[in-house]
Amino acid sequence: GESVGLHLPTLSVQEGDNSIINCAYSNSASDYFIWYKQESGKGPQFIIDIRSNMDKRQGQRVTVLLNKTVKHLSLQIAATQPGDSAVYFCAEKGGDYKLSFGAGTTVTVRA
Amino acid sequence: DVKVTQSSRYLVKRTGEKVFLECVQDMDHENMFWYRQDPGLGLRLIYFSYDVKMKEKGDIPEGYSVSREKKERFSLILESASTNQTSMYLCASSTGQGIYQPQHFGDGTRLSIL
Repeated sequence: GESVGLHLPTLSVQEGDNSIINCAYSNSASDYFIWYKQESGKGPQFIIDIRSNMDKRQGQRVTVLLNKTVKHLSLQIAATQPGDSAVYFCAEKGGDYKLSFGAGTTVTVRA
Repeated sequence: DVKVTQSSRYLVKRTGEKVFLECVQDMDHENMFWYRQDPGLGLRLIYFSYDVKMKEKGDIPEGYSVSREKKERFSLILESASTNQTSMYLCASSTGQGIYQPQHFGDGTRLSIL
């Protein structure tokens, strides 16, 4: 499948600050993107998704931004909390029901 | 909430054994998936299924097979386990009602082949 990559493998953020996690994708035909959170010892948990006909979508404390011109996806977490420490994955769907995943960014929240 | 349950959290098997990993979902989802997750490689798709008794190869099917006899259950089979199959195995499901639907994951089975 097409590669989906994240800009940084690790991110350290102060508790209470906003976090921004970035993802670059290569398949210009991708029309659906998902962010997952994976805590230690657990499976990936769905956070938020966005279709390619949108630029921005907001959830509870999270916002996903999609820039199709440069094939870039980001996840913003407002007022980062210790419970946000996890590995974050972006995933893209290029055609059928299959997803392609990036390697993940490990977010560590400093108290 | 969607619940995807994998039968074992940890499993230790020996080289050459036939290994079965079981996955059950309770949301009547049409689609089910098996991935393996290795450090630095992300999630790689092994097999998936769109319906009962139906299966499709993913990106790394070699050494694996699957079975889907009932809609809620998707089994991954390692025909003759090898040490390079030591990994975290994740099962996921998604609804077939529309193509813009997320996959929901179980908590994984950490498999060690000795």
